[in-house]
Amino acid sequence: GENVEQHPSTLSVQEGDSAVIKCTYSDSASNYFPWYKQELGKRPQLIIDIRSNVGEKKDQRIAVTLNKTAKHFSLHITETQPEDSAVYFCAANGGGGADGLTFGKGTHLIIQP
Amino acid sequence: EPEVTQTPSHQVTQMGQEVILRCVPISNHLYFYWYRQILGQKVEFLVSFYNNEISEKSEIFDDQFSVERPDGSNFTLKIRSTKLEDSAMYFCASSRRPDWGASGNTIYFGEGSWLTVV
Repeated sequence: GENVEQHPSTLSVQEGDSAVIKCTYSDSASNYFPWYKQELGKRPQLIIDIRSNVGEKKDQRIAVTLNKTAKHFSLHITETQPEDSAVYFCAANGGGGADGLTFGKGTHLIIQP
Repeated sequence: EPEVTQTPSHQVTQMGQEVILRCVPISNHLYFYWYRQILGQKVEFLVSFYNNEISEKSEIFDDQFSVERPDGSNFTLKIRSTKLEDSAMYFCASSRRPDWGASGNTIYFGEGSWLTVV
């Protein structure tokens, strides 16, 4: 099955700086890579996703890049704000039409004022 | 924006008791899922459900778990004989289709049901 590794587990950045979170996946047939933001006690909320037919996608301050050859994808948040503080999870679908998403272990992003 | 709704939000149960968690997926969605998240850990896939039957299940989804769509709107997860290690947040989710490659297709999570087994 799919295995997703996520780094770092904790990331502390100054407000206004950029944050980068990286994930690798094992199944070369995976074709869908979402990123979720989860605040304490709340549901995971999709913030951006990318499919394997593109290498980069951007939505305002958030961008995701995908390198299929290396089997890694990254989340970039620019001009970080206090409300960006949360746990971020990457995920990948298994190849072969698998229904379930495999999640990384999460990154606790802390924005220092 | 339509939402996946779950009940109860929090349930405390004694070890060995049966628990049913309920979900109402988004109305035009066809695929339903249960995920769980043990406190402080990652979200884990349990099961997917389509056309009134299980489509896929993970190793976690053993014989003590079952899912059902008892009517046209509800989707339930039953844990037959709860164990201490079943304590977790259980998220229901739904999507229009499982074809992850289709643009715009994504999975929506409910707010979760926090299960505490004592």
